[in-house]
Amino acid sequence: DAGITQSPRYKITETGRQVTLMCHQTWSHSYMFWYRQDLGHGLRLIYYSAAADITDKGEVPDGYVVSRSKTENFPLTLESATRSQTSVYFCASSEGATHGSNEQFFGPGTRLTVL
Amino acid sequence: AQSVTQLGSHVSVSEGALVLLRCNYSSSVPPYLFWYVQYPNQGLQLLLKYTTGATLVKGINGFEAEFKKSETSFHLTKPSAHMSDAAEYFCAVSSSGGYQKVTFGTGTKLQVIP
Repeated sequence: DAGITQSPRYKITETGRQVTLMCHQTWSHSYMFWYRQDLGHGLRLIYYSAAADITDKGEVPDGYVVSRSKTENFPLTLESATRSQTSVYFCASSEGATHGSNEQFFGPGTRLTVL
Repeated sequence: AQSVTQLGSHVSVSEGALVLLRCNYSSSVPPYLFWYVQYPNQGLQLLLKYTTGATLVKGINGFEAEFKKSETSFHLTKPSAHMSDAAEYFCAVSSSGGYQKVTFGTGTKLQVIP
């Protein structure tokens, strides 16, 4: 299917476990992003990537790791999950302003609960 | 630096009434401005965007927004609310030229009362 997909859609894990959230886009967009959404905070940028093998920190990167070996995939790993990482995670992609307007396209989200 | 302020985390309107969701931004360079909508348990989807040109922008589902540089505002309006408009709305700003990060507001939850 064309578009941007995330898996799993729901995940329950325990404190200290490693968790990986997957994101896949079919548009060949250069830019990809990970956000977390929490009540009262809106969307906060965790990490972003401008191209394969190029990643950079966002607003709240601590406790997260990303990689981007292929343009279409941008997994987010919580190395040792904590309860404060309970949130809804959104992946997004964009062509960037040189090709458009920085419009971002969002996946459906992953609801993560850390017990 | 850029920022977005959405006035009112919750707004209630009657079905058929005017919808007005307020957004003010700050940006040191000409901005790109966006409104996104989020329905329950879904991702954000673009309602409309302003890049350059006409300051009144029309989007999907009958929504429109006007870019007012002098007021640094980009308020979202719809003449007549429908029950299906109940959702959370996010204003966002990005600087024009190359990649600049998109900064989102904290969102306004719209309730439509029958």
